[in-house]
Amino acid sequence: NAGVTQTPKFRILKIGQSMTLQCAQDMNHNYMYWYRQDPGMGLKLIYYSVGAGITDKGEVPNGYNVSRSTTEDFPLRLELAAPSQTSVYFCASSYSGQRPTYNEQFFGPGTRLTVL
Amino acid sequence: QQPVQSPQAVILREGEDAVINCSSSKALYSVHWYRQKHGEAPVFLMILLKGGEQKGHEKISASFNEKKQQSSLYLTASQLSYSGTYFCGTENARYWAGYAGGTSYGKLTFGQGTILTVHP
Repeated sequence: NAGVTQTPKFRILKIGQSMTLQCAQDMNHNYMYWYRQDPGMGLKLIYYSVGAGITDKGEVPNGYNVSRSTTEDFPLRLELAAPSQTSVYFCASSYSGQRPTYNEQFFGPGTRLTVL
Repeated sequence: QQPVQSPQAVILREGEDAVINCSSSKALYSVHWYRQKHGEAPVFLMILLKGGEQKGHEKISASFNEKKQQSSLYLTASQLSYSGTYFCGTENARYWAGYAGGTSYGKLTFGQGTILTVHP
């Protein structure tokens, strides 16, 4: 199993440009998450999904959009990039099975994004 | 609201012990612990659930005080490989009919991190 994969690894955008960060998992996990991590800080939840077709906002959703058409893929869209979106973006997934509900998250390698 | 971790940084010699604390003001369903090395993704260490269940690595131990909404991670006989930043992630309990009990689909709020450095 590849686990959680993310592309690209690095990207530089100009202010106002748009892009899609790709995330895929091959563990048949129900739950998927997008986080951003600013230098020296903890992770902040942007969006999450509990299954195909179901997404919801996290802590810092402004400036981002998501979709989830399949169990495996959970792309994150940045519209009109701003310098404040310079960060490292991590995608994660978890499986929710029978009780007790362990939601340990498996993280992808991250995408380092710079907006100039 | 972000959980508060303490201390912010710890420096150890190999073989020494350390405790990292995580405190939340919310009713919690679970507490997760992750370790992140520089330039890498966070890696799961331990999860503690409301009610006493837990899952994690054999060499890592942790506690969860449900009344105080606090968790502590215990690192014993530290090794060089323990160096990194430790994050707690808290999952708020979902309310059903006024009772705080269910999972919130694994939505985590992470603390600011504790930097652990182990020297030979």
